[in-house]
Amino acid sequence: NAGVTQTPKFQVLKTGQSMTLQCAQDMNHEYMSWYRQDPGMGLRLIHYSVGAGITDQGEVPNGYNVSRSTTEDFPLRLLSAAPSQTSVYFCASRDGSPDTQYFGPGTRLTVL
Amino acid sequence: EDKVVQSPLSLVVHEGDTVTLNCSYEVTNFRSLLWYKQEKKAPTFLFMLTSSGIEKKSGRLSSILDKKELFSILNITATQTGDSAIYLCADSNFGNEKLTFGTGTRLTIIP
Repeated sequence: NAGVTQTPKFQVLKTGQSMTLQCAQDMNHEYMSWYRQDPGMGLRLIHYSVGAGITDQGEVPNGYNVSRSTTEDFPLRLLSAAPSQTSVYFCASRDGSPDTQYFGPGTRLTVL
Repeated sequence: EDKVVQSPLSLVVHEGDTVTLNCSYEVTNFRSLLWYKQEKKAPTFLFMLTSSGIEKKSGRLSSILDKKELFSILNITATQTGDSAIYLCADSNFGNEKLTFGTGTRLTIIP
Protein backbone atom coordinates (compact mmCIF):
# COMPACT_ATOMS: atom_id res chain seq x y z
CA ASN A 1 0.00 0.00 0.00
CA ALA A 2 1.97 2.99 -1.29
CA GLY A 3 -0.61 5.66 -0.34
CA VAL A 4 -0.38 8.77 -2.52
CA THR A 5 2.56 8.95 -4.90
CA GLN A 6 3.72 11.92 -6.95
CA THR A 7 6.26 12.22 -9.72
CA PRO A 8 8.56 13.91 -10.32
CA LYS A 9 9.94 15.11 -6.97
CA PHE A 10 11.70 18.08 -8.59
CA GLN A 11 11.31 19.78 -11.95
CA VAL A 12 12.79 22.83 -13.62
CA LEU A 13 10.98 24.27 -16.64
CA LYS A 14 11.50 27.20 -18.94
CA THR A 15 8.72 29.71 -19.43
CA GLY A 16 6.25 28.46 -22.01
CA GLN A 17 7.03 24.76 -21.62
CA SER A 18 4.27 22.33 -20.75
CA MET A 19 4.40 19.36 -18.45
CA THR A 20 2.29 16.96 -16.43
CA LEU A 21 2.63 16.29 -12.73
CA GLN A 22 1.57 12.75 -11.95
CA CYS A 23 -0.44 11.66 -8.92
CA ALA A 24 -1.65 8.18 -8.07
CA GLN A 25 -3.30 6.59 -5.05
CA ASP A 26 -3.96 2.96 -4.22
CA MET A 27 -6.52 3.43 -1.44
CA ASN A 28 -9.58 3.48 -3.73
CA HIS A 29 -10.38 7.01 -2.58
CA GLU A 30 -13.05 8.89 -4.46
CA TYR A 31 -11.83 12.40 -3.69
CA MET A 32 -8.55 13.75 -5.03
CA SER A 33 -7.16 17.27 -4.98
CA TRP A 34 -4.22 19.32 -6.14
CA TYR A 35 -2.82 22.12 -3.97
CA ARG A 36 0.03 24.52 -4.38
CA GLN A 37 1.98 25.86 -1.44
CA ASP A 38 3.81 29.16 -1.57
CA PRO A 39 5.62 30.90 1.30
CA GLY A 40 3.13 32.72 3.54
CA MET A 41 0.14 31.50 1.50
CA GLY A 42 -0.71 28.16 3.06
CA LEU A 43 -2.17 25.48 0.79
CA ARG A 44 -4.33 26.73 -2.04
CA LEU A 45 -6.64 24.39 -3.94
CA ILE A 46 -6.08 24.24 -7.69
CA HIS A 47 -8.50 21.54 -8.88
CA TYR A 48 -10.30 18.67 -7.28
CA SER A 49 -12.27 15.58 -8.25
CA VAL A 50 -15.06 13.74 -6.48
CA GLY A 51 -14.77 10.65 -8.63
CA ALA A 52 -13.67 9.30 -11.99
CA GLY A 53 -14.89 11.56 -14.78
CA ILE A 54 -15.74 14.47 -12.46
CA THR A 55 -13.47 17.44 -11.85
CA ASP A 56 -14.00 20.98 -10.62
CA GLN A 57 -12.01 24.15 -10.11
CA GLY A 58 -10.57 25.24 -6.82
CA GLU A 59 -9.28 28.60 -5.70
CA VAL A 60 -6.43 29.05 -8.22
CA PRO A 61 -7.22 27.01 -11.38
CA ASN A 62 -5.87 29.32 -14.09
CA GLY A 63 -3.02 27.83 -16.11
CA TYR A 64 -3.74 24.26 -15.00
CA ASN A 65 -5.83 21.42 -16.42
CA VAL A 66 -6.83 18.13 -14.84
CA SER A 67 -8.61 14.95 -15.83
CA ARG A 68 -9.74 11.90 -13.90
CA SER A 69 -10.13 8.92 -16.19
CA THR A 70 -9.55 6.37 -13.42
CA THR A 71 -10.08 6.34 -9.65
CA GLU A 72 -6.35 5.92 -9.10
CA ASP A 73 -4.84 8.71 -11.20
CA PHE A 74 -5.25 12.48 -11.16
CA PRO A 75 -2.63 14.22 -13.33
CA LEU A 76 -2.14 17.99 -13.29
CA ARG A 77 -1.14 19.63 -16.56
CA LEU A 78 0.63 22.94 -16.88
CA LEU A 79 -0.24 24.21 -20.33
CA SER A 80 2.35 26.97 -20.71
CA ALA A 81 4.51 27.34 -17.63
CA ALA A 82 5.02 30.79 -16.12
CA PRO A 83 7.40 31.91 -13.33
CA SER A 84 4.32 32.55 -11.14
CA GLN A 85 3.76 28.78 -11.15
CA THR A 86 7.00 28.19 -9.26
CA SER A 87 5.74 26.42 -6.17
CA VAL A 88 5.49 23.15 -4.28
CA TYR A 89 2.59 21.05 -5.50
CA PHE A 90 0.79 18.53 -3.32
CA CYS A 91 -1.69 15.94 -4.42
CA ALA A 92 -4.11 14.55 -1.83
CA SER A 93 -6.76 11.89 -1.68
CA ARG A 94 -9.45 10.87 0.79
CA ASP A 95 -12.65 8.96 1.15
CA GLY A 96 -15.88 10.58 2.38
CA SER A 97 -14.57 12.07 5.62
CA PRO A 98 -12.19 15.07 5.64
CA ASP A 99 -10.02 13.51 8.31
CA THR A 100 -8.98 10.72 6.00
CA GLN A 101 -7.10 13.05 3.63
CA TYR A 102 -3.60 11.87 2.81
CA PHE A 103 -1.04 14.01 1.05
CA GLY A 104 1.58 12.92 -1.43
CA PRO A 105 5.23 13.86 -0.85
CA GLY A 106 5.06 16.91 -3.11
CA THR A 107 6.69 18.14 -6.33
CA ARG A 108 8.95 21.17 -6.21
CA LEU A 109 8.58 23.04 -9.50
CA THR A 110 10.74 25.92 -10.64
CA VAL A 111 9.87 27.89 -13.76
CA LEU A 112 12.67 30.05 -15.13
CA GLU B 1 -16.12 32.14 0.08
CA ASP B 2 -14.61 30.21 2.99
CA LYS B 3 -11.87 31.93 4.93
CA VAL B 4 -9.40 30.59 7.49
CA VAL B 5 -7.06 32.89 9.42
CA GLN B 6 -4.27 31.63 11.65
CA SER B 7 -2.27 33.49 14.24
CA PRO B 8 0.47 34.11 15.00
CA LEU B 9 2.21 33.66 11.67
CA SER B 10 5.35 32.56 13.45
CA LEU B 11 6.34 31.78 17.00
CA VAL B 12 9.69 31.06 18.63
CA VAL B 13 9.75 29.55 22.11
CA HIS B 14 12.13 27.61 24.32
CA GLU B 15 11.90 23.89 24.89
CA GLY B 16 9.51 23.12 27.72
CA ASP B 17 7.26 26.13 27.10
CA THR B 18 3.54 25.79 26.37
CA VAL B 19 2.18 27.30 23.17
CA THR B 20 -1.29 28.13 21.89
CA LEU B 21 -1.97 28.45 18.18
CA ASN B 22 -5.13 30.13 16.94
CA CYS B 23 -7.42 29.51 14.00
CA SER B 24 -10.53 31.49 13.10
CA TYR B 25 -12.81 30.53 10.25
CA GLU B 26 -15.74 31.66 8.18
CA VAL B 27 -17.57 28.93 6.33
CA THR B 28 -21.04 28.32 5.01
CA ASN B 29 -22.57 25.09 6.25
CA PHE B 30 -19.70 24.11 8.53
CA ARG B 31 -18.71 20.46 8.64
CA SER B 32 -15.37 20.23 10.45
CA LEU B 33 -12.16 22.00 11.46
CA LEU B 34 -8.88 20.17 10.93
CA TRP B 35 -5.34 20.63 12.20
CA TYR B 36 -2.23 19.39 10.38
CA LYS B 37 1.48 19.38 11.18
CA GLN B 38 3.93 19.98 8.34
CA GLU B 39 7.59 19.33 8.84
CA LYS B 40 9.84 19.12 5.83
CA LYS B 41 7.41 17.48 3.46
CA ALA B 42 3.69 16.78 3.29
CA PRO B 43 1.20 17.77 6.00
CA THR B 44 0.18 15.04 8.40
CA PHE B 45 -3.21 14.94 10.10
CA LEU B 46 -3.51 15.82 13.79
CA PHE B 47 -7.15 16.43 14.72
CA MET B 48 -10.61 16.84 13.30
CA LEU B 49 -13.13 18.82 15.35
CA THR B 50 -16.84 18.92 14.69
CA SER B 51 -18.45 19.80 18.04
CA SER B 52 -17.97 22.79 20.29
CA GLY B 53 -16.30 22.41 23.66
CA ILE B 54 -15.07 18.85 23.23
CA GLU B 55 -11.31 18.65 23.59
CA LYS B 56 -9.37 16.32 21.36
CA LYS B 57 -6.08 15.18 22.87
CA SER B 58 -3.05 13.30 21.66
CA GLY B 59 -0.12 13.21 24.04
CA ARG B 60 1.06 16.78 24.63
CA LEU B 61 -1.18 18.17 21.89
CA SER B 62 -4.78 19.14 22.38
CA SER B 63 -7.35 21.12 20.45
CA ILE B 64 -10.80 22.55 21.01
CA LEU B 65 -13.44 24.19 18.86
CA ASP B 66 -15.81 27.08 19.56
CA LYS B 67 -18.55 27.06 16.94
CA LYS B 68 -20.25 30.13 18.35
CA GLU B 69 -17.16 32.33 18.10
CA LEU B 70 -15.85 30.45 15.02
CA PHE B 71 -12.38 29.61 16.23
CA SER B 72 -10.20 26.76 17.34
CA ILE B 73 -6.98 26.55 19.34
CA LEU B 74 -4.18 24.03 19.28
CA ASN B 75 -2.21 23.71 22.51
CA ILE B 76 1.17 22.07 22.84
CA THR B 77 2.52 21.59 26.35
CA ALA B 78 6.12 20.87 27.36
CA THR B 79 7.31 21.61 23.84
CA GLN B 80 10.21 19.68 22.33
CA THR B 81 12.46 20.46 19.38
CA GLY B 82 10.56 17.85 17.39
CA ASP B 83 7.47 20.05 17.61
CA SER B 84 9.15 22.58 15.32
CA ALA B 85 6.97 22.65 12.21
CA ILE B 86 4.32 24.58 10.35
CA TYR B 87 0.87 23.98 11.83
CA LEU B 88 -1.99 24.28 9.38
CA CYS B 89 -5.66 24.70 10.10
CA ALA B 90 -8.38 23.93 7.54
CA ASP B 91 -12.15 23.92 7.43
CA SER B 92 -14.57 21.82 5.44
CA ASN B 93 -18.23 22.30 4.65
CA PHE B 94 -21.18 20.22 3.62
CA GLY B 95 -22.06 20.77 -0.01
CA ASN B 96 -18.67 20.66 -1.66
CA GLU B 97 -15.57 18.65 -0.98
CA LYS B 98 -13.06 21.42 -0.58
CA LEU B 99 -10.81 21.96 2.38
CA THR B 100 -9.86 25.61 2.85
CA PHE B 101 -6.48 26.09 4.54
CA GLY B 102 -5.06 28.95 6.52
CA THR B 103 -1.57 30.28 5.91
CA GLY B 104 -0.15 28.29 8.81
CA THR B 105 1.83 29.10 11.95
CA ARG B 106 5.55 28.41 11.82
CA LEU B 107 6.59 27.17 15.27
CA THR B 108 10.26 27.03 16.20
CA ILE B 109 11.40 25.42 19.44
CA ILE B 110 14.82 26.49 20.71
CA PRO B 111 16.69 23.87 22.79
